[in-house]
Amino acid sequence: QKEVEQNSGPLSVPEGAIASLNCTYSDRGSQSFFWYRQYSGKSPELIMFIYSNGDKEDGRFTAQLNKASQYVSLLIRDSQPSDSATYLCAVKGGSQGNLIFGKGTKLSVKP
Amino acid sequence: SAVISQKPSRDICQRGTSLTIQCQVDSQVTMMFWYRQQPGQSLTLIATANQGSEATYESGFVIDKFPISRPNLTFSTLTVSNMSPEDSSIYLCSVDVLRLEKGEQYFGPGTRLTVT
Repeated sequence: QKEVEQNSGPLSVPEGAIASLNCTYSDRGSQSFFWYRQYSGKSPELIMFIYSNGDKEDGRFTAQLNKASQYVSLLIRDSQPSDSATYLCAVKGGSQGNLIFGKGTKLSVKP
Repeated sequence: SAVISQKPSRDICQRGTSLTIQCQVDSQVTMMFWYRQQPGQSLTLIATANQGSEATYESGFVIDKFPISRPNLTFSTLTVSNMSPEDSSIYLCSVDVLRLEKGEQYFGPGTRLTVT
């Protein structure tokens, strides 16, 4: 059974701080990794994807991938209250080419 | 990315009835998926909607309960049949968009179903 694990939180950070979200996955053969942001009552929104080891930066977001450790992380710099949401880590590895999701980490950014 | 719409956005249904959810994409896509998100939970795949053939269901989901149609490359429907309160969930359509030879999955706005 392929699994994706995340700390459910809640993770609380002050406005302007760096929020660090972590995710581990069980299938060593996984190649594609995604971070989704989900506001309460809304559908998941793709914010980052990463395929290669190392860092990938997009604005205030940085995704980090370490395939040897089977570890993916998302850093949010200069966190804003509008970043308060649940962040879902997903790995493409299902038998149908689908995503396998973690349970999500709830982030709260305090003004 | 892709623009995905779903209808209805929400519904309240009685036990024993059925509801059909529609998913429309603004471009042709090969891979289209149906997920379920139960209250406070993460997303679980129901099935892959295949154009021109039967849907492929995940373990625990069956065609009699969740029949799916995929008449073309931009449209799919999911029916939740003989509903019970346990079917109260958000149902999400997603599509896989190929970019740089990799697939990225985007989600529709979801259908919030409450079964009484």
